[in-house]
Amino acid sequence: QSVLTQPPSVSAAPGQKVTISCSGSTSNIGDNYVSWYQQLPGTAPKLLIYENNKRPSGIPDRFSGSKSGTSATLGITGLQTGDEADYYCGTWDSSLSGTVFGGGTKLTVL
Amino acid sequence: VQLVESGGGLVKPGGSLRLSCAASGFTFSDFYMSWFRQAPGKGLEWVSYITSSGTTIYYVDSVKGRFTISRDNAKNSLYLQMNSLRAEDTAVYYCAREGKPGGAFDYWGQGTLVTVSS
Repeated sequence: QSVLTQPPSVSAAPGQKVTISCSGSTSNIGDNYVSWYQQLPGTAPKLLIYENNKRPSGIPDRFSGSKSGTSATLGITGLQTGDEADYYCGTWDSSLSGTVFGGGTKLTVL
Repeated sequence: VQLVESGGGLVKPGGSLRLSCAASGFTFSDFYMSWFRQAPGKGLEWVSYITSSGTTIYYVDSVKGRFTISRDNAKNSLYLQMNSLRAEDTAVYYCAREGKPGGAFDYWGQGTLVTVSS
């Protein structure tokens, strides 16, 4: 059972938009920045979003992040088949003194 | 920036392994580092964290007292000593650099597989 809650799967057609939610509590999302990671099959995670809504260099602006209260959202526009991956939200948990993740969301681009 | 893990393998329950993470392409001593793991078909799990000087360390509850994180800044290396291994420790282990504000991990190694089985 993950500390953060994500939907197990989402799907959308190529070119469309999808959002992935991440729900937590005051000790994690409510009190700390949220990051988002993309994990393509058989590869290491890749940082997509940090500090709730900032993109590292090289990450296209099709990817966006937001946070409100104890929840965060990853948005992906202009979906491509290459976006098919598992997506994880993560943040520090002040009560647990550790990084916590959601269970991951599998994105299918139909 | 490159992070390369090594030291994984097959070990019997109760056994030990030491994972290494060789860092290059950046000033290793400037960055906090963490170990993560991913059991087969499962999600990401943070395992342990160490500050740049090694003075502050945290562990996930499930490995406390069994795993020890350390670093050698002179050798640009991060380590994870794993003792009293259990079947549930079977996973791909990744090291990662905390290179962005807010506790974000911007570079990850390719991972090393640890299998605990008799």
